[in-house]
Amino acid sequence: QVQLVQSGAEVKKPGASVKISCKASGYTFTRYTMHWVRQAPGQGLEYMGWINAGSGDTKYSQRFQGRVTITRDTSANTAYMELSSLRSEDTAVYYCADLGGTRDWGQGTLVTVSS
Amino acid sequence: QAVVTQEPSLTVSPGGTVTLTCGSSTGAVTSGHYPYWFQQKPGQAPMTLIYDTSNKHSWTPARFSGSLLGGKAALTLSGAQTDDEADYYCLLSYSGTWEFGGGTKLTV
Repeated sequence: QVQLVQSGAEVKKPGASVKISCKASGYTFTRYTMHWVRQAPGQGLEYMGWINAGSGDTKYSQRFQGRVTITRDTSANTAYMELSSLRSEDTAVYYCADLGGTRDWGQGTLVTVSS
Repeated sequence: QAVVTQEPSLTVSPGGTVTLTCGSSTGAVTSGHYPYWFQQKPGQAPMTLIYDTSNKHSWTPARFSGSLLGGKAALTLSGAQTDDEADYYCLLSYSGTWEFGGGTKLTV
């Protein structure tokens, strides 16, 4: 069955970067677009950007432009989201989601930014 | 950057019907915004209920339906069950990127 499995929780210091992975199985990874979304504690969902897993084309939300990089490794059926210059407000659960194909979501990855 | 608006909270009685709406600061929501609806329960990842305005996922209960109503995207729940108590988020497309609404906390 379709699964999106994300990497484990991370603790980072302010100013550092974090890179989260999202491994897809159960469907043809390169057919669809992978989206990244985050949710700060007690807050709503916030859209970050997407990558076309086939072409590698990306588009990022303006609020993250310059700080976020989404990539993929087609040989590993895996998408990655890297967020740089972390600050405490980036503490959140980060999700990958295949919204246009399987409509499935990863389980989420908690990133804690603390000195 | 567009702002997507949802009712912060709604209450429905068991067995009742409720409509959640999703508006856009740029004007009327159309099928070209490809509206999505997601359900999220505490401590869980969101689940896709509706995509492209009115299409249901295989796991979407029949009591949920999506539409365009009065210039907004709408999610209607008919025959609410206590299990439907959750947060609901809409997502709209804007020229290749996307924006979430602030979410509606639905109490049954």
